[in-house]
Amino acid sequence: GNSVTQMEGPVTLSEEAFLTINCTYTATGYPSLFWYVQYPGEGLQLLLKATKADDKGSNKGFEATYRKETTSFHLEKGSVQVSDSAVYFCALTDTLSGGYNKLIFGAGTRLAVHP
Amino acid sequence: DADVTQTPRNRITKTGKRIMLECSQTKGHDRMYWYRQDPGLGLRLIYYSFDVKDINKGEISDGYSVSRQAQAKFSLSLESAIPNQTALYFCATSDLGRTDTQYFGPGTRLTVL
Repeated sequence: GNSVTQMEGPVTLSEEAFLTINCTYTATGYPSLFWYVQYPGEGLQLLLKATKADDKGSNKGFEATYRKETTSFHLEKGSVQVSDSAVYFCALTDTLSGGYNKLIFGAGTRLAVHP
Repeated sequence: DADVTQTPRNRITKTGKRIMLECSQTKGHDRMYWYRQDPGLGLRLIYYSFDVKDINKGEISDGYSVSRQAQAKFSLSLESAIPNQTALYFCATSDLGRTDTQYFGPGTRLTVL
């Protein structure tokens, strides 16, 4: 079945540093790919998504490109802020019976940004 | 007001007790989900419901049951709680036409002693 692997954390950066969180996937067909973010004490929020190969999702300065040839969807940001400290989850769609979709999540990567 | 709410936010209980976690949404979505989050394991799907009359097991449904009382309400029950059900539980919703994007509640932290 479909699966997602993301880099282990925690990732610790200084403010204004460049961020990359790696995500690779295994899937049959052409799933949609997502990054969700979980701030402390809150539920998950959709950060960005891409629905087909070579699509680039972007939001709040974060970007990720759907790379079918390397089965990857790495999250990047050019200059992180303390407020970006959170847990980031990579996810993809998996088809359920009846043609509906569910989400499969990676284990999550904790990011800590220091002033 | 939040679109997806969960009650209680925190609960400590003892082994063998029956526990119900509740989820309500004002987004008008047909599809609702219960997930469990454990450190290092991401989120795993417990149950999902695509409308009031449709209930389906996810990948880790053993020891859990659900009830979809209305379009807006989806409850998760632990009939006889055990310590390895200690986790963070999330409810989520998605729209009939946009099932890829899910909207999450704030979570319920459950501790079973």
